[in-house]
Amino acid sequence: DTGVSQDPRHKITKRGQNVTFRCDPISEHNRLYWYRQTLGQGPEFLTYFQNEAQLEKSRLLSDRFSAERPKGSFSTLEIQRTEQGDSAMYLCASSPISDRATDTQYFGPGTRLTVL
Amino acid sequence: KQEVTQIPAALSVPEGENLVLNCSFTDSAIYNLQWFRQDPGKGLTSLLLIQSSQREQTSGRLNASLDKSSGRSTLYIAASQPGDSATYLCAVSNSGYSTLTFGKGTMLLVSP
Repeated sequence: DTGVSQDPRHKITKRGQNVTFRCDPISEHNRLYWYRQTLGQGPEFLTYFQNEAQLEKSRLLSDRFSAERPKGSFSTLEIQRTEQGDSAMYLCASSPISDRATDTQYFGPGTRLTVL
Repeated sequence: KQEVTQIPAALSVPEGENLVLNCSFTDSAIYNLQWFRQDPGKGLTSLLLIQSSQREQTSGRLNASLDKSSGRSTLYIAASQPGDSATYLCAVSNSGYSTLTFGKGTMLLVSP
């Protein structure tokens, strides 16, 4: 079990460019979550997948953001026309389907995005 | 809307001290509460998970308590060590999809 992996670990881009991040969850974990964390803040929920279905999206996820999880395996998060306010750490987490009360989410190392 | 508050925002202690981190939440209808550790620039590591039906959980030098009715949790760290230096985050799950609502964290520094 290699844990949750994210790629790239760091991304620097210019304002207006598009960026795409990838998350590979722990194998056989049905649930996958994306969070965003800015400096000095706790992570904020962005979106959630159960298998390939995107079941919940936060109001934080503007029209410039899109996430996919084809075939219920890895997931991608794309940001179009990046803005300086998008600079943050983007965290991915996964968990197996089980009793909600005992769910533990396993987090990846994150992708740090800097928009110049 | 669930809100999670952590006090203090930062804490500096000498090695060997016992310490308590506090977490409060506004909506008591939770499934569970989790404490995470985050090292600078890194992802999150789950430390303890307390189900809504439980009062406390222990792991090594860590003990977390939960008082759901008052919307409070504490994380007790015994005999602190420099390696405990990190940011500690409290998060609650009370949605149907188990999404987490986090506090801003407590930044802990344990000096030798």
